Amino acid sequence: EGQLLESGGGLVQPGGSLRLSCAASGFTFSNNGASWVRQAPGRGLEWVAGISESGDRTYYADSVKGRFTISRDSSKNTLYLQMNILRGDDTARYYCTKDQGWESSHWGQGTVVTVSS
Amino acid sequence: EIVLTQSPGTLSLSPGERAILSCRASQNVGNNYVAWYQQKPGQAPRLLIYDASTRATGIPDRFSGSGSGIDFTLTISRLEPDDFAVYYCQQCAYSPRTFGQGTRVEI
Repeated sequence: EGQLLESGGGLVQPGGSLRLSCAASGFTFSNNGASWVRQAPGRGLEWVAGISESGDRTYYADSVKGRFTISRDSSKNTLYLQMNILRGDDTARYYCTKDQGWESSHWGQGTVVTVSS
Repeated sequence: EIVLTQSPGTLSLSPGERAILSCRASQNVGNNYVAWYQQKPGQAPRLLIYDASTRATGIPDRFSGSGSGIDFTLTISRLEPDDFAVYYCQQCAYSPRTFGQGTRVEI
């Protein structure tokens, strides 16, 4: 079944940048689409971005479009989320997911991003 | 974007009872690409149902999904103690793949 392990979260000031990584093990990640989903403290789920198997198509929520970039490196079996111009409302746990079709069939445990001065 | 509205916000039930959770979309969800997830405190969500009615691998048959168009339902036929959690629907037909706000099933 495999595992997804996110990293790269932390505390960043408003306006700053972070790059999240998601390393897959036990399966070939590039055989599937992938997504990032976030959850602010005490709140519901918010789909953030998605990418196709080959990486040639990307999709974004309006709230992050132009600030976040999703990408993948098949040679490293890894998914990324580059986050720029971070704001307080980007504070959340960010989950990496493997997509089966268009739904998220497997989830990592997430990495926490806190945007605060 | 498609807005999903889940109801009720909280469902208070006892083990053995049936739970019926609703998810209504602001517009038609093409191909009935609706998924349901379960999330327990401190855990990542888990996929239960996709394509509105197909159970994901390893999901017990007391979970069932139905619906089409704009109205979708998750039914838990007989609640077990492990089922008390928050449930989210998601439409996967159009980008952005929006989630509902969740329904909490509590004892």
